[in-house]
Amino acid sequence: EPEVTQTPSHQVTQMGQEVILRCVPISNHLYFYWYRQILGQKVEFLVSFYNNEISEKSEIFDDQFSVERPDGSNFTLKIRSTKLEDSAMYFCASSEVFGYGTEAFFGQGTRLTVV
Amino acid sequence: EDQVTQSPEALRLQEGESSSLNCSYTVSGLRGLFWYRQDPGKGPEFLFTLYSAGEEKEKERLKATLTKKESFLHITAPKPEDSATYLCAVQVNDYKLSFGAGTTVTVRA
Repeated sequence: EPEVTQTPSHQVTQMGQEVILRCVPISNHLYFYWYRQILGQKVEFLVSFYNNEISEKSEIFDDQFSVERPDGSNFTLKIRSTKLEDSAMYFCASSEVFGYGTEAFFGQGTRLTVV
Repeated sequence: EDQVTQSPEALRLQEGESSSLNCSYTVSGLRGLFWYRQDPGKGPEFLFTLYSAGEEKEKERLKATLTKKESFLHITAPKPEDSATYLCAVQVNDYKLSFGAGTTVTVRA
């Protein structure tokens, strides 16, 4: 069964460092998303991406964050100058279409710990 | 502001003891309501999509229903392997899901 793959599963970084979280979406999907979940809190939307452009971003997704599709298979989230409050599970998701009733499939997540 | 509220926060069941989880939502122009299952330390696993009031979907021991203001996830004769956090999410526009806080279900043998 096709699945969204994320690497690494766990990343520990020093405050102020840059991290890149990687995702391989499902192969025939065209729409990509990043969500995050701070421990004990809701899953929250960060950004959606289609055709090499950001479709929508949340208030959380400020200049510290960027996304990229560097090749035909990978989708990355870069966090510059990490802060303690960036510690969370980061989930990549993808969908075949967008619009009404879009079913998004999620990866297993990357646990980011900023120390 | 669009909101998704799930209740109860936690549910402890005996194996075989059926129960229901609630998801109430306020969103302008519902484009879809989704149920996901999340195991500890894992990503949300898609279960169901519901589009319109009166719709029902079933999968094994799970059944999801939708009204104009809320959705229910019914768990019939649960087994320990049904223990998980069940997340409700609404699609608020073309690109974004808004999640509830989830209901953590524990099924004891």
